[in-house]
Amino acid sequence: GAVVSQHPSRVICKSGTSVKIECRSLDFQATTMFWYRQFPKQSLMLMATSNEGSKATYEQGVEKDKFLINHASLTLSTLTVTSAHPEDSSFYICSARGQTYAQYFGPGTRLTVT
Amino acid sequence: AQTVTQSQPEMSVQEAETVTLSCTYDTSESDYYLFWYKQPPSRQMILVIRQEAYKQQNATENRFSVNFQKAAKSFSLKISDSQLGDAAMYFCAYRPFPFGNEKLTFGTGTRLTIIP
Repeated sequence: GAVVSQHPSRVICKSGTSVKIECRSLDFQATTMFWYRQFPKQSLMLMATSNEGSKATYEQGVEKDKFLINHASLTLSTLTVTSAHPEDSSFYICSARGQTYAQYFGPGTRLTVT
Repeated sequence: AQTVTQSQPEMSVQEAETVTLSCTYDTSESDYYLFWYKQPPSRQMILVIRQEAYKQQNATENRFSVNFQKAAKSFSLKISDSQLGDAAMYFCAYRPFPFGNEKLTFGTGTRLTIIP
């Protein structure tokens, strides 16, 4: 139980285009999902908290117009990186809170912007 | 603000031996949760073990156990009978108790190498 999937696992896009990453909780409902960014050999940095049916809460310094988050259902949250630039290249990880207080993580998406 | 400190960037252990990873945290709260997550080369974050601060008993999951010292704000992870599959980055994480605030604060991680 408590499986979270992400799609795609890898994506390469050109500078100036937009990319959408999906995060799904497969065997449980998640009213709250989280989006993280991880640079090589570093810890996870929380970008935003996504709540089903309401606007996401962004961490300080994260551009909400650049990183659009939509939590349309209890099992799906999406992160759209708009007008991507090479500095947006990173590893993006989502997580979902299960019925207990633990967060369960997706396998991550490696974004490369050329 | 809460902070989580992992003072050991790298650790190594012989296969089948025991290793302890350190974690300290700073909080003014009395109730909270603590976690250890493992991130192998696949980069999938895996929950290893969890501890509720209001429980005095140390959590145990098979070969993994914690030494939770609330007064000292210390939360170390002991891995017994180390296996090659235990090689990974290990992150300690803190979460406040109230459901209104579910943010995880992560430490900087400890890279564990298993020597065959």
